[in-house]
Amino acid sequence: DGGITQSPKYLFRKEGQNVTLSCEQNLNHDAMYWYRQDPGQGLRLIYYSQIVNDFQKGDIAEGYSVSREKKESFPLTVTSAQKNPTAFYLCASRPKPGLQETQYFGPGTRLLVL
Amino acid sequence: QKEVEQNSGPLSVPEGAIASLNCTYSDRVSQSFFWYRQYSGKSPELIMSIYSNGDKEDGRFTAQLNKASQYVSLLIRDSQPSDSATYLCAVNWGDFNKFYFGSGTKLNVKP
Repeated sequence: DGGITQSPKYLFRKEGQNVTLSCEQNLNHDAMYWYRQDPGQGLRLIYYSQIVNDFQKGDIAEGYSVSREKKESFPLTVTSAQKNPTAFYLCASRPKPGLQETQYFGPGTRLLVL
Repeated sequence: QKEVEQNSGPLSVPEGAIASLNCTYSDRVSQSFFWYRQYSGKSPELIMSIYSNGDKEDGRFTAQLNKASQYVSLLIRDSQPSDSATYLCAVNWGDFNKFYFGSGTKLNVKP
């Protein structure tokens, strides 16, 4: 059963706490992405990775960190420096760079602050 | 600053009508364009992609691209209540590892 999995579905964060969102894909895709979506808004890019052990900041990377130690895994850590983390977080993957390659999305993680 | 703009809606159409969704983008050096459908609380799913000027049809969906005018549109023929969702436009620029998304247009199809 191929696809992109994200866990947990819901995550609650306390003040000053770091939390990690999981993203795993078994599609053998090269590129992986993290987006944040706020209510009524489009997707904003946090980080992306084209290959293992390499990643680039997106438009809103402050307060977030990532790693890409394995091709199939791209976890996102929301640090205490991110003062407004409540949002819907989406992980995506893409087979390879190319004009006609689309992204495929996981089911998302909803992060809420206690 | 690269921008992708969509009318937030909601756009209401009766069942069986044609729904027309529009998207404009700021940079002429754009490469490819994607329409995603997103149901409330769910992740986006690809509806159509288009790369060349003109029309591209897939079932009830037609994507139209006009690079000179910097707009891309999505037509949904014979709209169904199940088409009620938010439609996101995404643009892939020269660094085609990055996608830029509009804020989405909410479509309501009334039975």
